[in-house]
Amino acid sequence: QVQLVQSGAEVKKPGSSVRVSCKASGGSFSSYAVGWVRQAPGQGLEWMGGIISVIDTANYAPKFQGRVTITADESTSTAYMELNSLRSEDTAVYYCARGILTSIEAPGSVYYYYMDVWGKGTTVTVSS
Amino acid sequence: DIVMTQSPLSLPVTPGEPASISCRSSQSLLHSNGYNYLEWYLQKPGQSPQLLIYLASHRPSGVPDRFSGSGSGTDFTLKISRVEAEDVGVYYCMQTLQTPAFTFGPGTTVDIK
Repeated sequence: QVQLVQSGAEVKKPGSSVRVSCKASGGSFSSYAVGWVRQAPGQGLEWMGGIISVIDTANYAPKFQGRVTITADESTSTAYMELNSLRSEDTAVYYCARGILTSIEAPGSVYYYYMDVWGKGTTVTVSS
Repeated sequence: DIVMTQSPLSLPVTPGEPASISCRSSQSLLHSNGYNYLEWYLQKPGQSPQLLIYLASHRPSGVPDRFSGSGSGTDFTLKISRVEAEDVGVYYCMQTLQTPAFTFGPGTTVDIK
């Protein structure tokens, strides 16, 4: 059973960047997608973006476009999410999730995928 | 963006009894391919979210069959046929029609009466 192991908690200054890693233990991402979702303290879930490694395609929620980069390194079965120009509102728990690719069309994209395995989350605190 | 709403926002339940949560979208989630791009997640206290339903009514392997999803267009429902104590947490619906601007509902908190 694959598990997603995320990197440890981070404390960052406003204006800096953070990179969160997500390693697939017991599997790889080569035939899967990876999605990223965040959750501010006491708040709901927020989609950030995802990547489909097999077609080297990433897409980002408009809110984060230009500030977030999602990549995947198949050789190490690790996905990354980098968020720049951090502000206090970015304080949140960041989750990665493995996406099961299907042959069903994804509107505006290529493959529809659903996120079946989630990491435990990485807490990012932005504070001066 | 497609706005997702849920009702109720809080749902006290009795173990063994059925329960249902409604999710509505500001635009139809029905694609021309016949699929509704709507997912349901449960976030148990202190845990990561877990997928319950995808494409409105498809249940992934490993999800108990007491969970079912239905609906089409803009109105969707998650039903729990017989609530168990382990089902407490926050339930979220999410639309995946509008790539890449997926959006979640505000969440419905389910707890035991």
